[in-house]
This record gives sequence, structure tokens and C-alpha cells, in this order.
Amino acid sequence: EAGVVQSPRYKIIEKKQPVAFWCNPISGHNTLYWYLQNLGQGPELLIRYENEEAVDDSQLPKDRFSAERLKGVDSTLKIQPAELGDSAVYLCASSSSGYGYTFGSGTRLTVV
Amino acid sequence: GQQLNQSPQSMFIQEGEDVSMNCTSSSIFNTWLWYKQDPGEGPVLLIALYKAGELTSNGRLTAQFGITRKDSFLNISASIPSDVGIYFCAGQGRGGSQGNLIFGKGTKLSVKP
Repeated sequence: EAGVVQSPRYKIIEKKQPVAFWCNPISGHNTLYWYLQNLGQGPELLIRYENEEAVDDSQLPKDRFSAERLKGVDSTLKIQPAELGDSAVYLCASSSSGYGYTFGSGTRLTVV
Repeated sequence: GQQLNQSPQSMFIQEGEDVSMNCTSSSIFNTWLWYKQDPGEGPVLLIALYKAGELTSNGRLTAQFGITRKDSFLNISASIPSDVGIYFCAGQGRGGSQGNLIFGKGTKLSVKP
């Protein structure tokens, strides 16, 4: 069984530029999460999807961050425009009805 | 965002030694989870605990769900070099936003051969 696939693995962009991350969850997992992990910290939730519906986006900075999960499968997280403080690892995870979280390898974003 | 209190922040031990780390919260959780994260990778689940007082082992790893449901610990026996990494605890409530994982800040483990 393929795990959670994220791309790209690394991204370096200049501040004020847009950036997008992609996640393909484990087949059959209806719940998809995007987490933010700053250096030396544990992951923190940005948004949770149940199928195609964003059911918890309270921690998503909506002025510059957006996400979508079309057809309830893969998902895209976008930042526009990126700021220096957005440099972090963006993790995607999926689960079946909230149990058995599996994380992807993450996208390491560096904003210069 | 909310994070759990995890200690110690880092540990430097000799190969073969036992390791103990713990996690506390001001909130009650229904599930406690322990993850390991290697550099450049996402967290990988080590042990999941679903019941207060539960003691669960996975090879050389043993974890317990505290009776108060506000704490958990992880022990690693006879450490080996491949145990090096960052260990995270995570608590999970029940249903809705409480089902989201809340993580600790991690314990960085270094093992000297």
C-alpha cells in the first residue's frame, strides 16, 4: 500500500511569490490533514478535511493560505503571497475516520 | 497553537542505556500516541494508547496512558544507534475538532555507540 505522497519535497521561493503543495492520501482514507511544523516544534494543524469538506480550518491563516480537496481525494495547499515566516515543513496526513494517522514526508519550504 | 508539555527536550545517552520521556497536558485526552521523526521525514507512529492506565509494548518500546488521562510516558530499553531521532507525543480527543492531534514539542534523542 502506497503511503501519503507529498510533492515537492523541497521548495525555495522569494518572498511575495505564490507557492503550492500537493498531497495524495492513502487510498480510502476519508480524512486529510495539513499540518505546519516549525523548526524545533511539533506539528500544528492547519486544516482538516472530511472527504471534500473542510471541517476545521480555524488555524488556517486565511488572508494568505488556501486549500482545496477536489473530489475528496488529493489536496492542494497554497500560500499567496509567501512571507519569510512561512519557512517551515508542511506535512500532510490522512486517516480513516480519525484513526490511524499516517503522515507524508512533508514539503520543506524556504522563503528568502 | 496548543502544544503538550514534553520532557526532556533532548537526551544524550550511551548505546545500551534505557530511555524515558513523558508528556503532560492540562486537558484530558481519549487517545495518546507516540511518534518518531527522522530528519527530512514525516512522523511515524510507534505506539497508540486508547484506555486510561493502558500499558502497551512494541518491541523495545513501552508506553503508558496515565490514569488521569492527562499524561503519558514512553520508555525505550537497551537503546541502539538507530533509535536516534525526535520523539513526539500526541493527544487526541473524541469527535469534531477534538479529534485533531495535539503534539508535544518533541524529545531529541542522541545515542552514542
